[in-house]
Amino acid sequence: QVQLVESGGGVVQPGGSLRLSCATSGFSFSTYVVHWVRQAPGKGLEWVALISFDGSSQYYSNSVKGRFTISRDNSLNTLYLQMNSLRPEDTAVYYCATNPPRWLLGSFDMWGLGTMVTVSS
Amino acid sequence: QSVLTQPASVSGSPGQSISISCTEVDSDVATYTLVSWYQQYPGKAPKLMIYEGSKRPSGVSDRFSGSKSGNTASLMISGLRAEDEADYYCCLSAPHGPWVVFGGGTKVTVL
Repeated sequence: QVQLVESGGGVVQPGGSLRLSCATSGFSFSTYVVHWVRQAPGKGLEWVALISFDGSSQYYSNSVKGRFTISRDNSLNTLYLQMNSLRPEDTAVYYCATNPPRWLLGSFDMWGLGTMVTVSS
Repeated sequence: QSVLTQPASVSGSPGQSISISCTEVDSDVATYTLVSWYQQYPGKAPKLMIYEGSKRPSGVSDRFSGSKSGNTASLMISGLRAEDEADYYCCLSAPHGPWVVFGGGTKVTVL
């Protein structure tokens, strides 16, 4: 049974840090490109970052570049997002999502349930 | 930078067919890549409905279909049902930053 379970969300003050995790099971995690996608309350989906299947390449949206770091541990089947210098506009539900091998980027076939991050003083 | 434009809302009666457009506007160069489409219910994670323009994942109803003409992709829903009432997002990959772009979303209402 395929599972993606995000954790690590919470309330943090502006300028603070959080580390999100996405624990996966039931599929060959090490063969997938994986992404973080977020959704601010009442707003649409926004792509955040992606990491290649082996972790050698990472790409970020302009809104988080230089503040967020995506990483993965294929031995633990887990994806991470280190978020630093958080801003109120980072408040959102953060989803991890998988992109199957050989499919176009942006083809997210599996999603987690999401974890809420609130940046507020 | 690629931008994807969707109508804010589309509505239809049960049994009817509707179409949701997704138009790519790029200030540098047109990518015209194949899009994916997602369905999202309030408070739930998105679900992949169409990928690479017109491919349907296993388990998705054949009432959903995708097409593309020029710089506009479309998601068609035939035989509209109450359960189709949701938000729908298109998405594409770009050859340069920001790499993956979502449209603004379309709320489908079943009258």
